[in-house]
Amino acid sequence: DTEVTQTPKHLVMGMTNKKSLKCEQHMGHRAMYWYKQKAKKPPELMFVYSYEKLSINESVPSRFSPECPNSSLLNLHLHALQPEDSALYLCASRRLGRGSQDTQYFGPGTRLTVL
Amino acid sequence: SQQGEEDPQALSIQEGENATMNCSYKTSINNLQWYRQNSGRGLVHLILIRSNEREKHSGRLRVTLDTSKKSSSLLITASRAADTASYFCATVTNTGNQFYFGTGTSLTVIP
Repeated sequence: DTEVTQTPKHLVMGMTNKKSLKCEQHMGHRAMYWYKQKAKKPPELMFVYSYEKLSINESVPSRFSPECPNSSLLNLHLHALQPEDSALYLCASRRLGRGSQDTQYFGPGTRLTVL
Repeated sequence: SQQGEEDPQALSIQEGENATMNCSYKTSINNLQWYRQNSGRGLVHLILIRSNEREKHSGRLRVTLDTSKKSSSLLITASRAADTASYFCATVTNTGNQFYFGTGTSLTVIP
């Protein structure tokens, strides 16, 4: 299984809503990533988890709250978002450890629209 | 920002022609990777070149790396309509954990 799944595929939310994005992989990868991608722009790194611990936060506003409950799951909790947060949110995973490949495996993304 | 720059921003070629896109970056790297993205979808890894390598091949792909100039190029030979996509370079830091994507090249291959 070389798949990273993300749910939901699409999400529309108001600025006062609380919602969560979910990412799952069963490849035994111990690094997981959240990226934000605006139209016609490259993915921007948001968070990195290594061995289920947050290792990198690229100065992301606190209205985005990541969570890694176990080695297969990664969540992104959303609260009080702004319309400019509308984007494609991509999850990726990577194997860690000796002999690991450096490549990332990406999910298909969640298209988020904030009204 | 540690984001790299790619050129051209957009490239349109006929099927069968070769496509070359370039990536320049700012910091020292462990490796550089190229990814492809079809419209609005996730990214797919194409090829990786390490900082001590100068050239690498994979099928119709050829990538070069010049660390003294902090630049890389991706050549796609004998292009096909199915190669139409956006292509991003990604630099990987020496810690190995942070990936920074270039601005991307949008490739259109006309049948």
